[in-house]
Amino acid sequence: EAGVAQSPRYKIIEKRQSVAFWCNPISGHATLYWYQQILGQGPKLLIQFQNNGVVDDSQLPKDRFSAERLKGVDSTLKIQPAKLEDSAVYLCASSLVGRVAGVYEQYFGPGTRLTVT
Amino acid sequence: KQEVTQIPAALSVPEGENLVLNCSFTDSAIYNLQWFRQDPGKGLTSLLLIQSSQREQTSGRLNASLDKSSGRSTLYIAASQPGDSATYLCAVPQSGGYQKVTFGTGTKLQVIP
Repeated sequence: EAGVAQSPRYKIIEKRQSVAFWCNPISGHATLYWYQQILGQGPKLLIQFQNNGVVDDSQLPKDRFSAERLKGVDSTLKIQPAKLEDSAVYLCASSLVGRVAGVYEQYFGPGTRLTVT
Repeated sequence: KQEVTQIPAALSVPEGENLVLNCSFTDSAIYNLQWFRQDPGKGLTSLLLIQSSQREQTSGRLNASLDKSSGRSTLYIAASQPGDSATYLCAVPQSGGYQKVTFGTGTKLQVIP
């Protein structure tokens, strides 16, 4: 079974530039998550999709971040314009909806390491 | 709002030693708890998922326990090996959330040969 794919793996940009990350979840996984992980911290949920609808984006800085999930499969996360504090690893994860409500297991991609200079 | 704490933040042990990692959470109304491993520069690998109805879950040298009433989980690693060196994270669903999860800050483990 193929895992969660992400690209690019690394990206270096200057502040005020824009950047986009791509994620392809495990086939059949209805739920897709984007996390931001700052060095030394645990991942923080940015946005969660159920199929192609947004379930939660309460921690997404909407003035500069946007995300979409086309046809309920692939997803892109965009930052425009980037700030220095956006330097982090951006992780994509996917999961099935379990048989019992709330039962899930998340599978993570390798992440994209973003450096904003 | 769910808050998750992991202690210690870092741990260094000699090879072969048994060790325990701790995870505490503030809201005990959870469905399950998941332990992950993260190697430097890589994504997260799921180790164990404990359902709220379970008290323990085992996989190889790993054993995770869950005590919902006290808001605690432990990850026990037996006979540690240098290959176990990584950051270990626990994750719990946010209260009232639909499959949303809050991560702890992790415990960075170093096993010395």
